[in-house]
Formats: sequence, C-alpha cells, structure tokens
Amino acid sequence: DAGVTQSPTHLIKTRGQQVTLRCSPKSGHDTVSWYQQALGQGPQFIFQYYEEEERQRGNFPDRFSGHQFPNYSSELNVNALLLGDSALYLCASSLGSSNSPLHFGNGTRLTVT
Amino acid sequence: GNSVTQMEGPVTLSEEAFLTINCTYTATGYPSLFWYVQYPGEGLQLLLKATKADDKGSNKGFEATYRKETTSFHLEKGSVQVSDSAVYFCALSTLYSSASKIIFGSGTRLSIRP
Repeated sequence: DAGVTQSPTHLIKTRGQQVTLRCSPKSGHDTVSWYQQALGQGPQFIFQYYEEEERQRGNFPDRFSGHQFPNYSSELNVNALLLGDSALYLCASSLGSSNSPLHFGNGTRLTVT
Repeated sequence: GNSVTQMEGPVTLSEEAFLTINCTYTATGYPSLFWYVQYPGEGLQLLLKATKADDKGSNKGFEATYRKETTSFHLEKGSVQVSDSAVYFCALSTLYSSASKIIFGSGTRLSIRP
C-alpha cells in the first residue's frame, strides 16, 4: 500500500523563478493538503484540495497556488520565488472532510538562491 | 487566534529516563489535540491524539491527557529508548476549520543517549 509520495525530493531554484511540486496521495485518500516547514519550525498550512477545488487556505500570498487532478494527485505552484520560500514542503492526504488522520509524505526540500 | 506553544529543545536524556514534553494551546471552541513525530529522514507521523477533555491518547508507550482546565496536552513516556530520538510536534485542529488544517507547535528535538 503506497503512502504519500512527493517529487522531487530536492530542488534548487533562483529568486524570481517559478516552481511546481507534485504529490500523490495515499491509496484511497481523496483530500490533499500542503504545508510549508521552515527550518527549525513547525509546518504551516498552505491550502487544502478536495474534489479538485481549493477548500481552505492559510495565510499565504497568491504566489502560492495549487491544483488537484481527477486521480486526486496534486501540484503546488509557487511564482516569483523569494529567498524566504526556502523550506520543506509537505503534502498530506486524508479521506474526505472526516476526522481521519493526515498521512504525510517525506516532503520536497526547496532551496531558493 | 489558535496557537500551540511547546517546550523548546533540544532535550537530551539517557536511555530509560522519564520523558515529559510540555504543550499548551489557545483555541476557540473545542479543539482536537495531537502529537506528531518526525524521525530522521522520514515524514511526519501521527503519534497519538485526543478529541475531547480528559481523553488520554496513547501509542508506543507515549501518553498525553487533554486537560481543558490548564489548556495542556503534555507528552510523557516512562522509559525512553534510543529509537525515540526524533522531533515531536504538538498540534491542534478545530471544528471551525477542518481536520486538514492543523496548527503545529514549533517542535521539540529529542535525543536519547545509549
């Protein structure tokens, strides 16, 4: 049973560029959430996708956008990268809007230079 | 707003020592409370949870009790092992958000000496 998979594992980008991160949810899950974890900090909620729509959003600027596909996989896009966007980006999947626990992937480490 | 404050690390203990990691929260309504663990090189994993006051969550020898009167959810283990070395995050979610929108504390790094 495959868990949550994220790609790539590491990425280096230059300030001002755009980046796309990918996530495949755990088998049987239909909801994907994205979190940003800065070094030494706890994860911060970016947004949640369910039924191909953004359902909830945290305090992140519009430069952060996403998409969910019919197979429930998801992408996180960040435009006009800033040095402060350097972080570990975590994808988590769950089942619907129930209180089912989140299952996290190992994350994508993004470095902006 | 909703927030979680947890004990700053790092915490270093000898094997078989007693562990407490303090966590307090601020929330509107009646939050669900969680402890997540992040082992080196791995993703976040749910360690335990409690959904209402006085509930005790437990897993792998770890326990935490939801204390509404002190707004706390301290993590305890009676005898730690080297394999418990990891970063531990206290977290909450509320009925007014969703189960996916979890608010995390800043994490406590735990190192266990053999």
